[in-house]
Amino acid sequence: NAGVTQTPKFQVLKTGQSMTLQCAQDMNHEYMSWYRQDPGMGLRLIHYSVGAGITDQGEVPNGYNVSRSTTEDFPLRLLSAAPSQTSVYFCASSYALRPGSHRVTEAFFGQGTRLTVV
Amino acid sequence: SQQGEEDPQALSIQEGENATMNCSYKTSINNLQWYRQNSGRGLVHLILIRSNEREKHSGRLRVTLDTSKKSSSLLITASRAADTASYFCATDGRHGGSQGNLIFGKGTKLSVKP
Repeated sequence: NAGVTQTPKFQVLKTGQSMTLQCAQDMNHEYMSWYRQDPGMGLRLIHYSVGAGITDQGEVPNGYNVSRSTTEDFPLRLLSAAPSQTSVYFCASSYALRPGSHRVTEAFFGQGTRLTVV
Repeated sequence: SQQGEEDPQALSIQEGENATMNCSYKTSINNLQWYRQNSGRGLVHLILIRSNEREKHSGRLRVTLDTSKKSSSLLITASRAADTASYFCATDGRHGGSQGNLIFGKGTKLSVKP
């Protein structure tokens, strides 16, 4: 069981470039989320998914796209990178207390992707 | 906007002392969770307390929840240098209801000196 795997661990982009941050989990969790962590700001929710084919926006979705074609994978796409997107990105997965209840228990986090946009 | 706010922002103690961190939140919750983050690493779940619980223990951790005051506290007893980390509280999301996401506070940075 690898848990939640994020790739790459580090990335440097030039302004205007696009890229995809990968996230995969092998725990068959329904729920997956992307967060960004900036100094002094804690973790802010970018996008989340409650199951394959279903995604929704979080607190700071602008400049990012997601899709969830399988239960396992939840990639985050930066459409046109900007210096303001320099951050550490975390992917997390979790499961419901009861099927369909949407009340989640603990979240499992990946190790993060440190992104710098120059 | 962030749901939880931890207090203090930073805490420095000696090994063997107890560390207490507080969390306040704004809206009603189903549960509240505490996470630890070692420098440069992902977050690790510590403990979850449900809205109908008032206190919960796990090893050296003790969590309390006061829903009337919308606050929670995390107590780490007999702290060790290995407890040095940032600690975050998280509540179930307000985006579209409790749909599988968590809203985090800004964290308390704990430093335990040997």
